[in-house]
Amino acid sequence: EAQVTQNPRYLITVTGKKLTVTCSQNMNHEYMSWYRQDPGLGLRQIYYSMNVEVTDKGDVPEGYKVSRKEKRNFPLILESPSPNQTSLYFCASSLRSNRAPRSYEQYFGPGTRLTVT
Amino acid sequence: AQSVTQPDIHITVSEGASLELRCNYSYGATPYLFWYVQSPGQGLQLLLKYFSGDTLVQGIKGFEAEFKRSQSSFNLRKPSVHWSDAAEYFCAVAPTGTASKLTFGTGTRLQVTL
Repeated sequence: EAQVTQNPRYLITVTGKKLTVTCSQNMNHEYMSWYRQDPGLGLRQIYYSMNVEVTDKGDVPEGYKVSRKEKRNFPLILESPSPNQTSLYFCASSLRSNRAPRSYEQYFGPGTRLTVT
Repeated sequence: AQSVTQPDIHITVSEGASLELRCNYSYGATPYLFWYVQSPGQGLQLLLKYFSGDTLVQGIKGFEAEFKRSQSSFNLRKPSVHWSDAAEYFCAVAPTGTASKLTFGTGTRLQVTL
């Protein structure tokens, strides 16, 4: 089954304790992205990756890191989490943009609810 | 930079009634447009998309949307709402030529009364 998986689904942590949220897709998609969802703000892009070893900042990258060492994985790293990073996080993937228009369809993971106290 | 406005934060409709969710975008050219649905506790699912051509787009679950260039709008419609349609709906826009900059609206929460 084609899917995007995220782990963990729920996480409660304390300020300053480094954490990683994993994201994996099995569709051989080149493009992957991380979003955070906050009430009243919709989804905002944190980072995206056009391919292995190619990453770039989205709209709200502060406090986050990403890496793309393998095509299927795109982990989100919070080196020193703070309470304002409490949010619902989504990973998404799609085919590369220079293919047919269907490549713009992003497939979303189930979300990771993070609470930083 | 592009932006998306969903003016209705919350909408309540009766089951069987028609539905229209509004979406307005701001972009220098014609963007790619999307509607996603998020059921409680779930991720986002694509309902439909517009790239070019016919301005009336059919999607899954009986939804359709109409692109109106003159109004910079991409409103979502359904002729008869079912209780299972209760969810949050997001309009999104991407600049033509790239998948890297998907901008979402703030969402409209749909409540369906029986």
